[in-house]
Amino acid sequence: DAGVTQSPTHLIKTRGQHVTLRCSPISGHKSVSWYQQVLGQGPQFIFQYYEKEERGRGNFPDRFSARQFPNYSSELNVNALLLGDSALYLCASSPTGQGYGYTFGSGTRLTVV
Amino acid sequence: KNEVEQSPQNLTAQEGEFITINCSYSVGISALHWLQQHPGGGIVSLFMLSSGKKKHGRLIATINIQEKHSSLHITASHPRDSAVYICAVGNTGNQFYFGTGTSLTVIP
Repeated sequence: DAGVTQSPTHLIKTRGQHVTLRCSPISGHKSVSWYQQVLGQGPQFIFQYYEKEERGRGNFPDRFSARQFPNYSSELNVNALLLGDSALYLCASSPTGQGYGYTFGSGTRLTVV
Repeated sequence: KNEVEQSPQNLTAQEGEFITINCSYSVGISALHWLQQHPGGGIVSLFMLSSGKKKHGRLIATINIQEKHSSLHITASHPRDSAVYICAVGNTGNQFYFGTGTSLTVIP
């Protein structure tokens, strides 16, 4: 079985631009969560989706948004990029999002210049 | 104050040593995870615990729900164990909190 797939693996954007990151969960997993990991720090929770509905939101500005599609894949969108948005963005899928069975993707490394 | 605290932040050990990494949390949890992150960023889930103790190879994870504390032990450490080990908790409100990680270096 394929694991959690994230794309792209790396990208470079300019301040003010918009970015879309994608995540495909493990087959059968209905929950996807997004995390931001700034260099040298632990990951920070951004969003959790379950059955296409937002179930949790971390302390991130409205420039960050996400959605989950009927096939349970997910997109994370960030508008008006700032230099401080440079980070590794991790996606994790789980069967129900109830704190167990999480599997992480390898992440998307975003650099904002 | 962070919801999840790990110690130590950095750890250097000689090959073969027994290693312990500690995690304390302050939220009600549905499960606690120990994760391993290698350079380059990919994260591997090592254990998921809601009670007691789990063992996988040379790795042992324990949790004390009453004390809100968990430990990850590595027996007979090896240089390939060098990585960042992260404690993370999923709470009953569908949020997930991470510790800042423990950077382990095992010297041959």
